[in-house]
Amino acid sequence: NAGVTQTPKFQVLKTGQSMTLQCAQDMNHNSMYWYRQDPGMGLRLIYYSASEGTTDKGEVPNGYNVSRLNKREFSLRLESAAPSQTSVYFCASITGVGANVLTFGAGSRLTVL
Amino acid sequence: QQQVKQSPQSLIVQKGGISIINCAYENTAFDYFPWYQQFPGKGPALLIAIRPDVSEKKEGRFTISFNKSAKQFSLHIMDSQPGDSATYFCAARRLEYGNKLVFGAGTILRVKS
Repeated sequence: NAGVTQTPKFQVLKTGQSMTLQCAQDMNHNSMYWYRQDPGMGLRLIYYSASEGTTDKGEVPNGYNVSRLNKREFSLRLESAAPSQTSVYFCASITGVGANVLTFGAGSRLTVL
Repeated sequence: QQQVKQSPQSLIVQKGGISIINCAYENTAFDYFPWYQQFPGKGPALLIAIRPDVSEKKEGRFTISFNKSAKQFSLHIMDSQPGDSATYFCAARRLEYGNKLVFGAGTILRVKS
């Protein structure tokens, strides 16, 4: 089925370890996003990529880096994980500026001990 | 800072009742107000949306009421069903800032059968 695919679905890290969350979409969307979801705080934007070759910071970018590998793929990297980064991470994509339907992946649950 | 304030945090409604979730915003430049529905273990999905030049939009049992002067909008779920049990997020977008959605904190709805 067409959509947004995230890997891994679950991950446990120790403080200071690094890891990369992978995201791929097969809808030919131009823009891609990484959000984190925490109880009582809704969804907060970490980084986004308006189009292939561009990335920009969102609301909570500290401690993260991203790579827009190509039009399909947008990865999120934690260089030195901290317990405060324990969260559920969602990748999303949309056709482009002006489009209205943001399509989300199923999420990646990350626990940092 | 939370640009979109959502209430209540949780809501229990009897089957057949009306569920009401409220959101308030501050930035009058927002031009699009969607509601997303999220089931456990899934990513959010667009439920219904409204633009500020419309006071109400209805799709089946779901209605958005929009009060531009009060900078408030709400989701009404008529004849609530157990299958409506989910987390609901309101959001807002300012087009000139791209498709970056600002989300409310979320409301966990439980419909008792």
